Amino acid sequence: RKEVEQDPGPFNVPEGATVAFNCTYSNSASQSFFWYRQDCRKEPKLLMSVYSSGNEDGRFTAQLNRASQYISLLIRDSKLSDSATYLCVVNIINDYKLSFGAGTTVTVRA
Amino acid sequence: DVKVTQSSRYLVKRTGEKVFLECVQDMDHENMFWYRQDPGLGLRLIYFSYDVKMKEKGDIPEGYSVSREKKERFSLILESASTNQTSMYLCASSLTRDRAHYEQYFGPGTRLTVT
Repeated sequence: RKEVEQDPGPFNVPEGATVAFNCTYSNSASQSFFWYRQDCRKEPKLLMSVYSSGNEDGRFTAQLNRASQYISLLIRDSKLSDSATYLCVVNIINDYKLSFGAGTTVTVRA
Repeated sequence: DVKVTQSSRYLVKRTGEKVFLECVQDMDHENMFWYRQDPGLGLRLIYFSYDVKMKEKGDIPEGYSVSREKKERFSLILESASTNQTSMYLCASSLTRDRAHYEQYFGPGTRLTVT
């Protein structure tokens, strides 16, 4: 079983729509959680960290559900520039190594 | 801004060749990582280093070795390239082993094709 699993999508949404997707992780001892964004043929970049209480950064909202071992990302008022692959990233067993999901692709159309 | 650079964006090598991929970071980060990224598999950790001359195996070290002689430079070596090592290779660095500094910064990647 993979440590981090994501729905690969693609999620095709019109501009202005809301899109949300989840990621599940297998190790209950996981402590830190992140969403990275990767544009086509580019390197991954940190989008946001995910905190236990949930957090928001502009149009992006991240939630953590420890009981069910998943994190979610919601994008409101989607822009064309939000088209990317979103990587779910988990820190396993209080180690500074990170485990990456395979990514969820979002395409926002005009 | 943290800058992580990689020696080549695209590389084509023949089976059996020795291949060197170099990575340099300019922010005095302690930790450096080498990943490969393949469609549907995500990023998989090959090797990492938390200090000069220190290295640890990641999840898929077979067929690879690394070298870290200076803090800012981390090299990935394919001793004898094979076609199944055709992939995108990404280097990353992070500040320290402190939990507050888990964020990793990535280089632009090297797309390696082994023919």
